[in-house]
Amino acid sequence: EVQLVESGGGLVQPGGSLRLSCAASGFTFSSYWMSWVRQAPGKGLEWVANIKQDGSEKYYVDSVKGRFTISRDNAKNSLYLQMNSLRAEDTAVYYCAREECGPTGGLVSYYYMDVWGKGTTVTVSS
Amino acid sequence: DIQMTQSPSSLSASVGDRVTITCRASQSISSYLNWYQQKPGKAPKLLIYAASSLQSGVPSRFSGSGSGTDFTLTISSLQPEDFATYYCQQSYSTRFTFGPGTKVDIK
Repeated sequence: EVQLVESGGGLVQPGGSLRLSCAASGFTFSSYWMSWVRQAPGKGLEWVANIKQDGSEKYYVDSVKGRFTISRDNAKNSLYLQMNSLRAEDTAVYYCAREECGPTGGLVSYYYMDVWGKGTTVTVSS
Repeated sequence: DIQMTQSPSSLSASVGDRVTITCRASQSISSYLNWYQQKPGKAPKLLIYAASSLQSGVPSRFSGSGSGTDFTLTISSLQPEDFATYYCQQSYSTRFTFGPGTKVDIK
């Protein structure tokens, strides 16, 4: 079964740090771009960051640049999000998601997030 | 960054209704547009990718159309399990962005 399981969330004080993990199973993790997406309480979805298969390219939403770092360990089938200098506005459920590329054999490659974890909750509060 | 807007922000509909949700991009994104459904307390679920391709396992009452800047998600006959929030998302840029969502609830 294709599965993503996030962990590492919790309560942290403003200015603190937290490291989220996402364990992948049921597919060849090293073949996929991966993303982190978050959702603040009662709000919509916000894409946070993504990383290429070999870790050579990483992209971030402006609001987390310089504070968050996405990384991966293909040998451990794991994705990470190191979050530093946390703010109240970082409070959210954080999802990891697999980026699929399709359609197979097509001339153009479209990316979409087809597998999602259940999320882990991060609360930044004093 | 590419900004995404959706309309309406919410709608009330009855079982069996035809429902249409619109998504607009701040610049042309060709067909790099995906649609997701999210129910309360659950992770998002992919419905449509590349503007009009139905994800495997998704009922055929869901369809997507559009290209460039204007896109539409249509539910041909609303079912009880379709009451949820729907998000569009662009993948034209490597830095993805989502629309603000459209909540579909029971009339």
